[in-house]
Amino acid sequence: EAQVTQNPRYLITVTGKKLTVTCSQNMNHEYMSWYRQDPGLGLRQIYYSMNVEVTDKGDVPEGYKVSRKEKRNFPLILESPSPNQTSLYFCASSIRQGAREKLFFGSGTQLSVL
Amino acid sequence: RKEVEQDPGPFNVPEGATVAFNCTYSNSASQSFFWYRQDCRKEPKLLMSVYSSGNEDGRFTAQLNRASQYISLLIRDSKLSDSATYLCVVRAGAGGAGNNRKLIWGLGTSLAVNP
Repeated sequence: EAQVTQNPRYLITVTGKKLTVTCSQNMNHEYMSWYRQDPGLGLRQIYYSMNVEVTDKGDVPEGYKVSRKEKRNFPLILESPSPNQTSLYFCASSIRQGAREKLFFGSGTQLSVL
Repeated sequence: RKEVEQDPGPFNVPEGATVAFNCTYSNSASQSFFWYRQDCRKEPKLLMSVYSSGNEDGRFTAQLNRASQYISLLIRDSKLSDSATYLCVVRAGAGGAGNNRKLIWGLGTSLAVNP
């Protein structure tokens, strides 16, 4: 089954404790992206990747890191989480970054930073 | 002015009703337009792309008005299962940073279909 798999689904952590949210897709997609979704602010892009070893900042990259060592995986790293990073996170992928390409989303990670 | 604006609703309609949502966008160079559906706390899923000539998919009809810079979604014969938030999404036109002609997401319109 074609899918984007995110883990964990829920995560509660404390300020400053490094964490990684994993994202994997099995569709051989070139393009992958991370979003966060907050009430009143909608979906905002954190980082994106056009292909292996090609990543770039989105609209809200501060406090986040990503890597794309393999085509299928695009982990999101919070080196020192802070409470303002409490949010619902989505990973997404598409076959390429084209005008009409459909985005496939993972099921989301609800992160709470205490 | 926000780049993509939607009426947040909620729209409460009875089963079988016809309901329409509008979405306005500010960048006249925008290239592509979409409606995504999102159930509460779940991932967005593409409902339909919006084409210049308008397009229909079953009970759903999408239209684009470039002159007035808005897109619309019409849902006919509403079902209980249509209850969700509908996100208007616009892809920036040429000239965006790098190759990331980014998607700009509206905040969504909430629809509740009641028995």
